Amino acid sequence: QKEVEQNSGPLSVPEGAIASLNCTYSDRGSQSFFWYRQYSGKSPELIMSIYSNGDKEDGRFTAQLNKASQYVSLLIRDSQPSDSATYLCAPKDFGNEKLTFGTGTRLTIIP
Amino acid sequence: DTEVTQTPKHLVMGMTNKKSLKCEQHMGHRAMYWYKQKAKKPPELMFVYSYEKLSINESVPSRFSPECPNSSLLNLHLHALQPEDSALYLCASSQVRGWDGYTFGSGTRLTVV
Repeated sequence: QKEVEQNSGPLSVPEGAIASLNCTYSDRGSQSFFWYRQYSGKSPELIMSIYSNGDKEDGRFTAQLNKASQYVSLLIRDSQPSDSATYLCAPKDFGNEKLTFGTGTRLTIIP
Repeated sequence: DTEVTQTPKHLVMGMTNKKSLKCEQHMGHRAMYWYKQKAKKPPELMFVYSYEKLSINESVPSRFSPECPNSSLLNLHLHALQPEDSALYLCASSQVRGWDGYTFGSGTRLTVV
C-alpha cells in the first residue's frame, strides 16, 4: 500500500505569518508532486507542482522537495484568511495513471 | 478552455433510482478520472480512462458503471445505490502519463435517500 502522510491539523497560523505544511510518501517511484487546496464543499484546486529536489517559488507559495528523505513541503508566506482551507499533497509515479492524495492538512489563518 | 464541467451540481436519488453523472472537458486531455470524496476525507480514486478505454477500476461496486463515449465526455451511471454512497463525486482530467497535475471539475454532491 503506497502511503502519503500529512499532519491532519487543524493548523492555526496568525495572519501575516508563515504556514508550513508537510508531507511524507512511501513510493520511491514518485516523480511528480502536487499540492492542492480545497475549500470546504468545493473541489480540489492545483496550486503548486514540483518535480526536482530543491525549492520552487510561485508568489506567496514555496514548495520544497527532498526525494532522498521522501519529503515534500509547502510554505505559505504572509498568510491570509483566504488561505484557510484543506491542503492535499499528491505524489505521482510517472508511469502510473493514479494520483493518490494524502490525508490532508486543515489550515486556519487567524485574523 | 481550462475547465472540467460536471453536471448536475446536486443530486438526490432514491435507492431504486437510476441516474447519471456527466463530465466534459475540452482541454485535449486523453485521461479522465472519477473520484469519490466523503466528508473530511481525501478524494479516493474510483476509475481511470485512458484514450477512452477503462484502465483502472479500484474494485468499485457494480452499482457504479462508468462510460467514456468520446475523448471529451465521461459519464458515471448509478443504479441501486445505498445511503453510504452519498458523497461528493469528482471528475478530473489530465494528459496520459503526463507531468502535469489533474484538473478537477466542481463536483456533484450526491445524496442517496
